[in-house]
Amino acid sequence: SYVLTQPPSVSVAPGQTAKIPCGGNNIESKSVHWYQQKPGQAPVLVMYHDRDRPSGIPERFSGSNSGNTATLTISRVGAGDEADYYCQVWDSSRDHVVFGGGTRLTVL
Amino acid sequence: EAQLVESGGGLVKPGGSLRLTCGASGFAFSSHSMKWVRQAPGKGLEWVASINSGSTFIYYADSVKGRFTISRDNAKKSLYLEMNSLRAEDTAVYFCARGLLGEDGIEYEVFDFWGQGDLVTVSS
Repeated sequence: SYVLTQPPSVSVAPGQTAKIPCGGNNIESKSVHWYQQKPGQAPVLVMYHDRDRPSGIPERFSGSNSGNTATLTISRVGAGDEADYYCQVWDSSRDHVVFGGGTRLTVL
Repeated sequence: EAQLVESGGGLVKPGGSLRLTCGASGFAFSSHSMKWVRQAPGKGLEWVASINSGSTFIYYADSVKGRFTISRDNAKKSLYLEMNSLRAEDTAVYFCARGLLGEDGIEYEVFDFWGQGDLVTVSS
């Protein structure tokens, strides 16, 4: 089955840029989506189809997908960005949705 | 404004059954695929099942296939998850989520709106 690998945690100073990777075999051939989940809340879609932002998501959020790694980039990070971030793809070979294990973003 | 409200969760004994309902409002429910996703306490997101707008395509995670059944009633704007033979490892918050509908009419496996979730606890 297809596996998405995320680091458990990423830390960044306020105002800096956070990069959250999502690894998968030839992931560039798939469309990657990203969700933000704050404690006690439902997840929110923050990026879809690798680099499309839903309405209401700040331009500080951007996405890329190349080779075996997709990346969610958050520029000018603030305390409000502290959350768990999950990547997700559709595994068409098995008709299954796959989530990464999640990355906790900490703003120092 | 779109809204998804889950109900039907609670405490159930191992081997028991439970039916979750997700009521939708504020959007064209009958045009969107719908999904169930769960999250065990302190753990990550786990996809459970998906159903397209016309109920012609239904997919399940291996962990629930044969035990859980997803269905929908477009007239009632409701999504359901029938859960049988429940196990301790099914304990989780269950979220219903709406599938992204592209401008091209394609129903994508992207979860563009989520309910607040409902807790299911399987314990004796």
